[in-house]
Amino acid sequence: QKEVEQNSGPLSVPEGAIASLNCTYSDRGSQSFFWYRQYSGKSPELIMFIYSNGDKEDGRFTAQLNKASQYVSLLIRDSQPSDSATYLCAVFSGGYNKLIFGAGTRLAVHP
Amino acid sequence: ETGVTQTPRHLVMGMTNKKSLKCEQHLGHNAMYWYKQSAKKPLELMFVYNFKEQTENNSVPSRFSPECPNSSHLFLHLHTLQPEDSALYLCASSQNPQIAGGVQAQYFGPGTRLTVL
Repeated sequence: QKEVEQNSGPLSVPEGAIASLNCTYSDRGSQSFFWYRQYSGKSPELIMFIYSNGDKEDGRFTAQLNKASQYVSLLIRDSQPSDSATYLCAVFSGGYNKLIFGAGTRLAVHP
Repeated sequence: ETGVTQTPRHLVMGMTNKKSLKCEQHLGHNAMYWYKQSAKKPLELMFVYNFKEQTENNSVPSRFSPECPNSSHLFLHLHTLQPEDSALYLCASSQNPQIAGGVQAQYFGPGTRLTVL
């Protein structure tokens, strides 16, 4: 059973701080990794994806991938209250574009 | 309309009712997906369609019946549901990975909040 694990949180950070969200996955053959943000009562929206080991930056967001250790993380710099949401990690592990989702980490950014 | 749309946004039905959920994507994609999201649980993939052909059925009970008449439209027909089927049902679309080359990000519609009484 391929699994994607995330700490459910809530992760509470002060405004302006760096929020660090982590995700581990069980399938060593996993190839592609996605981060989605989901506000309460809304649907998931894509933030970014990463395929290669290392860091990928997009604005205030940085995804970090370490395939040897089987984890992927999302850093949010200069956190804002509007970043308060649940962040979903999704992993592609073969099959026809089949993504395996974690249960999500709830982030709370307080002023 | 832009992106992925879903109707209805909210649905309350009895266990003996028959209803359908509709999804339409305006992104020019050719793969579409149904997911179920229950409270505190990960998104569960239900069905995958590529170029109108079903390529994945994730052991979904037969009381859920998908239909994909073309690459832009996807339906989920519901009948004799159970209260535990109450959840948020999400539709998503993407480019077909075999055509686009590699795994493709999926884009979600707003979802249908389903309550089964």
